[in-house]
Amino acid sequence: DADVTQTPRNRITKTGKRIMLECSQTKGHDRMYWYRQDPGLGLRLIYYSFDVKDINKGEISDGYSVSRQAQAKFSLSLESAIPNQTALYFCATGVGTSPNEQFFGPGTRLTVL
Amino acid sequence: QKEVEQDPGPLSVPEGAIVSLNCTYSNSAFQYFMWYRQYSRKGPELLMYTYSSGNKEDGRFTAQVDKSSKYISLFIRDSQPSDSATYLCAMRETSYDKVIFGPGTSLSVIP
Repeated sequence: DADVTQTPRNRITKTGKRIMLECSQTKGHDRMYWYRQDPGLGLRLIYYSFDVKDINKGEISDGYSVSRQAQAKFSLSLESAIPNQTALYFCATGVGTSPNEQFFGPGTRLTVL
Repeated sequence: QKEVEQDPGPLSVPEGAIVSLNCTYSNSAFQYFMWYRQYSRKGPELLMYTYSSGNKEDGRFTAQVDKSSKYISLFIRDSQPSDSATYLCAMRETSYDKVIFGPGTSLSVIP
């Protein structure tokens, strides 16, 4: 089984809808991250969490919110989706003793019409 | 100016060629330099990382950092079709754990 899983893998939705992307990990890592990937822009950090009670904004948090329900679960919500949120979304995990390595999930392709 | 820049490619080379992938950056405080590989429809995975300037070799892969020029490179020797992927450079400051990723270079190794 994959160490970092994301659901759904693909989602098409309409402008204004609320969407939740979920991430689960079995690696036992304390740190979790949400990124979006766009062609030519690379990976950009949306939110990150260093433990269950710690949530931090990344460089592009506007329009997004997160919830760290447990050490193993980190959800990303789009309260009112808009077309420029169409992207590939990745969840990643890591540990504080090795900040250079992050372990990525398979990604969720989100299309907002 | 973006903090980290990469030529997006695509780069296409014949099997067995030496490949050079490069990044430039603007933040002189970056001390850790990483290369991630991303296969199609997969998440990125760490290939290797270096600290400060110098070279690091791991099998067919060599990472090189020139901090004076704010320029890093990844060399792939004897390239294989299985090396076909997007390569992302990434970097961070010593006292700050946030990693900044480049946009990636797409590489195709033709048999």
